Amino acid sequence: GAGVSQTPSNKVTEKGKYVELRCDPISGHTALYWYRQSLGQGPEFLIYFQGTGAADDSGLPNDRFFAVRPEGSVSTLKIQRTERGDSAVYLCASSKTGSQANVLTFGAGSRLTVL
Amino acid sequence: GEDVEQSLFLSVREGDSSVINCTYTDSSSTYLYWYKQEPGAGLQLLTYIFSNMDMKQDQRLTVLLNKKDKHLSLRIADTQTGDSAIYFCAEFVSGGYNKLIFGAGTRLAVHP
Repeated sequence: GAGVSQTPSNKVTEKGKYVELRCDPISGHTALYWYRQSLGQGPEFLIYFQGTGAADDSGLPNDRFFAVRPEGSVSTLKIQRTERGDSAVYLCASSKTGSQANVLTFGAGSRLTVL
Repeated sequence: GEDVEQSLFLSVREGDSSVINCTYTDSSSTYLYWYKQEPGAGLQLLTYIFSNMDMKQDQRLTVLLNKKDKHLSLRIADTQTGDSAIYFCAEFVSGGYNKLIFGAGTRLAVHP
C-alpha cells in the first residue's frame, strides 16, 4: 500500500482481556518495527523484524507481549491479560533494507485503552 | 546506554525563529532525526542528518550536529502557527540490530 496501515485505530478493552493489533507495512519493506507511545512520552521501542524473524525483541516489557510476522509482511502485536498500564498508542513502522534502512515510515497508530 | 534528552516546552512568536535542542549518548549513532507530531496524528519525518555531517538545510529547517558534544538542534525559520506541534529528536542505532531511540519530545507553541 501507499503507507503503513494499522488496525484498529482505536481499541477499548477491559483489564484481563486479550488484544491483537495489526500492522500492514509498505509493500516491499522488509524491516518492521513496533513502538509504544504513552501519554506525554516519546515512542518506546518494542520489537524489530527483519523478514519473518524478530531480530531484536529487547523492548517487549514482559511475556504478556508477543509479536509475529509469519509471511514477512503483515505483523500482529498480541497482548495477553491486559493491564491498565498497557494503555498507550502502539505505533508500527517499516523500512527498506540497505541504504534506505534508516528511513522509517510510521503508521497512524492504534490507540489502546484498558479500562 | 542509549538515551536522548530534550527540553519539554518552547514558546515563540509567529515569524520568529525556533531552536529546539537535543542531546544523545550513543556515540555509535549513524543518523539523527527530527520528527513532528501534531495532535492526534502520527509521526512525520521532517529531516535527518548523517553523523559525519555537521549541518543540513532544507527550506525553513536547519539541522546542526555537534558530534563531539553529542548535541543536535533544529532551527525553524519564520515560525508559523502551523508549526505548533511536538518535535521528537531520535538517534538510529545499528550494528547487528537497528532501532530508533526517541527523546520525550519538545512541545512548540507558536503565538501571534
